[in-house]
Amino acid sequence: EPEVTQTPSHQVTQMGQEVILRCVPISNHLYFYWYRQILGQKVEFLVSFYNNEISEKSEIFDDQFSVERPDGSNFTLKIRSTKLEDSAMYFCASSGETGSNEQFFGPGTRLTVL
Amino acid sequence: AQSVSQHNHHVILSEAASLELGCNYSYGGTVNLFWYVQYPGQHLQLLLKYFSGDPLVKGIKGFEAEFIKSKFSFNLRKPSVQWSDTAEYFCATYGGSQGNLIFGKGTKLSVKP
Repeated sequence: EPEVTQTPSHQVTQMGQEVILRCVPISNHLYFYWYRQILGQKVEFLVSFYNNEISEKSEIFDDQFSVERPDGSNFTLKIRSTKLEDSAMYFCASSGETGSNEQFFGPGTRLTVL
Repeated sequence: AQSVSQHNHHVILSEAASLELGCNYSYGGTVNLFWYVQYPGQHLQLLLKYFSGDPLVKGIKGFEAEFIKSKFSFNLRKPSVQWSDTAEYFCATYGGSQGNLIFGKGTKLSVKP
């Protein structure tokens, strides 16, 4: 069964450093999403991506965040200058289309900012 | 804006007990409601969804949920839980036009063997 994959599973970085979280969505999917979950809090939407551009983003997704689909398979989330409060679990998801289609989630990347 | 709330933070049950997890939604026009499950160490998986039609929705692994419009509720139920149902359960709804999901805080279910 096709699945969304994410690498790395755990990333530790120093405050102020840049990190890139990688996701490989399901191959025929068209919509891509990033969510995050700070420890003990709810899963929060960050950004959606369709047709090679951001289609929607939340207040959390400020200028330090960016997303890219550099090739036909990868979907990346870059955090330019990490802060302590960026420590969280980051989930990638993809769906065939919006509306009634299910979003499939990856296993997540745990980001720890020291 | 659409939102959902889950009031049970942690539920502890013995095997074979019946389960009901609460979810309330805010009215924002079209109703799209989901229940996701996250087993320990695994990714979020869709249990079931409601968009329209029969308000009693059946999902995977013996779960069901009932949409009650008058109560703004979409509670998740299972008549007899198993130890393998130990997981965190999230109610969700669409937050925008691009299908982004808005999640509740989640309910952790622990089933004692």
